[in-house]
Amino acid sequence: AQSVTQLGSHVSVSEGALVLLRCNYSSSVPPYLFWYVQYPNQGLQLLLKYTSAATLVKGINGFEAEFKKSETSFHLTKPSAHMSDAAEYFCAVKGNAGKSTFGDGTTLTVKP
Amino acid sequence: SQTIHQWPATLVQPVGSPLSLECTVEGTSNPNLYWYRQAAGRGLQLLFYSVGIGQISSEVPQNLSASRPQDRQFILSSKKLLLSDSGFYLCAWSVEPEDTQYFGPGTRLTVL
Repeated sequence: AQSVTQLGSHVSVSEGALVLLRCNYSSSVPPYLFWYVQYPNQGLQLLLKYTSAATLVKGINGFEAEFKKSETSFHLTKPSAHMSDAAEYFCAVKGNAGKSTFGDGTTLTVKP
Repeated sequence: SQTIHQWPATLVQPVGSPLSLECTVEGTSNPNLYWYRQAAGRGLQLLFYSVGIGQISSEVPQNLSASRPQDRQFILSSKKLLLSDSGFYLCAWSVEPEDTQYFGPGTRLTVL
């Protein structure tokens, strides 16, 4: 069975600082991995995905994530935080029958 | 392009009343469809998923049910709402093999 662990339910950074949101996964097969973002009172939007091609994946809004098989990690980064990045972020791994397993989410706060 | 609709956007219902939430997808055929619930401050809970018309799998036993009367229509129902049914309900679709989840805008349900 697949699982995802997001380390840190809340992360706070200053505007312009590095953003690092951590995600570790467990999967019995080569994984498909995703990061989604959710703004208040909205649905989730896909930020980026790893589907066994390049290990460094670039997404929207300047975010990127690196798949590290040896560490079973898929951490999300952005070099310079913007106020508009404040949101909740979910890591997910594809499971059986099309279902995805989501992490509990990390709320990102950006301080001016 | 693909679009997913959910309605209503917000709903306030008394305990014991019935519920019907509707989700429709445009621009894709034979998608996998999903209903999720987010309780306040918590992650995503998968309630139901469907791989085809009339094919529904329930993830969590509860007083909710789902139906898929048409290929791109997914309905979440209840005969009698409980206080614990309050939350943010999200519909999503995906197609194989990646099964990236595409979410609707959500329905905020408050049961009083």
